[in-house]
Amino acid sequence: GENVEQHPSTLSVQEGDSAVIKCTYSDSASNYFPWYKQELGKRPQLIIDIRSNVGEKKDQRIAVTLNKTAKHFSLHITETQPEDSAVYFCAVAETSYDKVIFGPGTSLSVIP
Amino acid sequence: DTGVSQDPRHKITKRGQNVTFRCDPISEHNRLYWYRQTLGQGPEFLTYFQNEAQLEKSRLLSDRFSAERPKGSFSTLEIQRTEQGDSAMYLCASSSTASGDQPQHFGDGTRLSIL
Repeated sequence: GENVEQHPSTLSVQEGDSAVIKCTYSDSASNYFPWYKQELGKRPQLIIDIRSNVGEKKDQRIAVTLNKTAKHFSLHITETQPEDSAVYFCAVAETSYDKVIFGPGTSLSVIP
Repeated sequence: DTGVSQDPRHKITKRGQNVTFRCDPISEHNRLYWYRQTLGQGPEFLTYFQNEAQLEKSRLLSDRFSAERPKGSFSTLEIQRTEQGDSAMYLCASSSTASGDQPQHFGDGTRLSIL
């Protein structure tokens, strides 16, 4: 089955700096790559997603890049703010309405 | 659109008891998913439905777990003879295959604690 790895498991950055989280996957049938943010005790919330026909997508301070040949994708957060502190999960699926396989998560702390 | 709702939010029960959770998806979403999340881990896929049909069930799901979606709207997840290892957050999500390539929307989850 699909295997999703995520690094680093914890990340601490100064406010205003950038944060990068990297993920790899194993199943070449995966075509949908969402990123979720989860604050303590709350539901996972989609922050950005990318599909296999696109190499990069940006939404304000958040960007995602995808290298389908190498089977890895990354989340980039620029100008980090304390409210960015949360656990971030990368995930993969064949399509947006198939089962989603999550990575183990990265706990991001933004230090004011 | 009130989002995905789950009930109850918290459930505490003794080992060996049966529990049932309910999920109400976003109206007109034909797909409904159940995931389980333990502390410090990512959500783990359990099963999903399209309308009333259960399309896939994780191999990791023991036969003590059963899910239904009888009328293609709300779904229930039942755990029989609960064990300590069943303690987790049970998340429900829904999506639609009819409205293009749309992501899954998650509910707030039901937190199960086994005493």
